[in-house]
Amino acid sequence: KAGVTQTPRYLIKTRGQQVTLSCSPISGHRSVSWYQQTPGQGLQFLFEYFSETQRNKGNFPGRFSGRQFSNSRSEMNVSTLELGDSALYLCASSENTEAFFGQGTRLTVV
Amino acid sequence: GENVEQHPSTLSVQEGDSAVIKCTYSDSASNYFPWYKQELGKGPQLIIDIRSNVGEKKDQRIAVTLNKTAKHFSLHITETQPEDSAVYFCASRRDSGYSTLTFGKGTMLLVSP
Repeated sequence: KAGVTQTPRYLIKTRGQQVTLSCSPISGHRSVSWYQQTPGQGLQFLFEYFSETQRNKGNFPGRFSGRQFSNSRSEMNVSTLELGDSALYLCASSENTEAFFGQGTRLTVV
Repeated sequence: GENVEQHPSTLSVQEGDSAVIKCTYSDSASNYFPWYKQELGKGPQLIIDIRSNVGEKKDQRIAVTLNKTAKHFSLHITETQPEDSAVYFCASRRDSGYSTLTFGKGTMLLVSP
């Protein structure tokens, strides 16, 4: 069974730009959660999608948004990028309780 | 909301020694406690988990213990090997469909040969 696939692996963007990250969950998993990982703050929850509906949302500004498609693939978008958005963005796939992570997308904002 | 405290933040051991990482949680309704291992340049990997109806769970050299009364749980790694070197995260959640994982800040484990 294929694992969680995140693309791209690395991104460099300029302040003010926007970015879209993609996550393909494990086949059969309907839940996709997104996390931001930084050295100072650790793993912080962004949002969770289940069957194309946002089910939970963390404490991030509205510049961070996401969506999920009918095939469970998910995208997250960050608009008006700031230097502080530089981080590893991880998505996790689950169907019941266990959550499995992808390799992440390393976003650098310059 | 839930808060998870993890200690220590760094842990250095000699190969063959045991390593113990401890976490405490605040939400008494939490009943699912996974542990993740994150190697450099990779995403977190689920290595073991425990539910609140169990006090201890083992898988080869790793074990997790849970004390619901005290609201703390621990990861035990025996006979450590250099390949165990990584960052370890504990997490907790309510085992219901609408709950999310709350993570500890992580422990960097370094196993010296």
